[in-house]
Amino acid sequence: AQKVTQAQTEISVVEKEDVTLDCVYETRDTTYYLFWYKQPPSGELVFLIRRNSFDEQNEISGRYSWNFQKSTSSFNFTITASQVVDSAVYFCALSEGTSGSRLTFGEGTQLTVNP
Amino acid sequence: DSGVTQTPKHLITATGQRVTLRCSPRSGDLSVYWYQQSLDQGLQFLIQYYNGEERAKGNILERFSAQQFPDLHSELNLSSLELGDSALYFCASSVEGASNQPQHFGDGTRLSIL
Repeated sequence: AQKVTQAQTEISVVEKEDVTLDCVYETRDTTYYLFWYKQPPSGELVFLIRRNSFDEQNEISGRYSWNFQKSTSSFNFTITASQVVDSAVYFCALSEGTSGSRLTFGEGTQLTVNP
Repeated sequence: DSGVTQTPKHLITATGQRVTLRCSPRSGDLSVYWYQQSLDQGLQFLIQYYNGEERAKGNILERFSAQQFPDLHSELNLSSLELGDSALYFCASSVEGASNQPQHFGDGTRLSIL
């Protein structure tokens, strides 16, 4: 069965600090997809990134970067030079190639960036 | 704006009642998903439709049902409501419902049972 664990329930940083959100997943499939979503205080879920199991290249998008390591079943998310607007709950999610496209979400990490 | 529209945004009702939540997917998306977000269960997949047909079922109670109409909008019906059904219900859509396609979420419907 698939499972996603985000061990950090809450993280608080001061603006301009770098912060890394951890995500560990479990799956028996060799083909799977990993996602990160952001849920700001307004409540909507915003898609950030998708990574497939065959592509271990790290990805950078502006201040955001993602580190995917199959050896440790982790897909961590780093925000560089954090800003107050980054304050949100961040969810890591997994979908498996063989069991449909449902997303299994982690518990979420509440990130608070203080000015 | 994700392009997924959910109505209503808020719903307050009483135990034992029935409600209908509505979702219009992004233009061009054929697949619709429903998720429930509650404090104790987190974000849970309920059900998926693709082009009008049910494709996958998750932790959906028998009191809940859904359908996708020919115009691709979807409705989630919740009946015999209980206090524990209070949650944020999200609809999401993707192009073809494949596992490699990102799901784009609506703003959710917040259901409060009094």
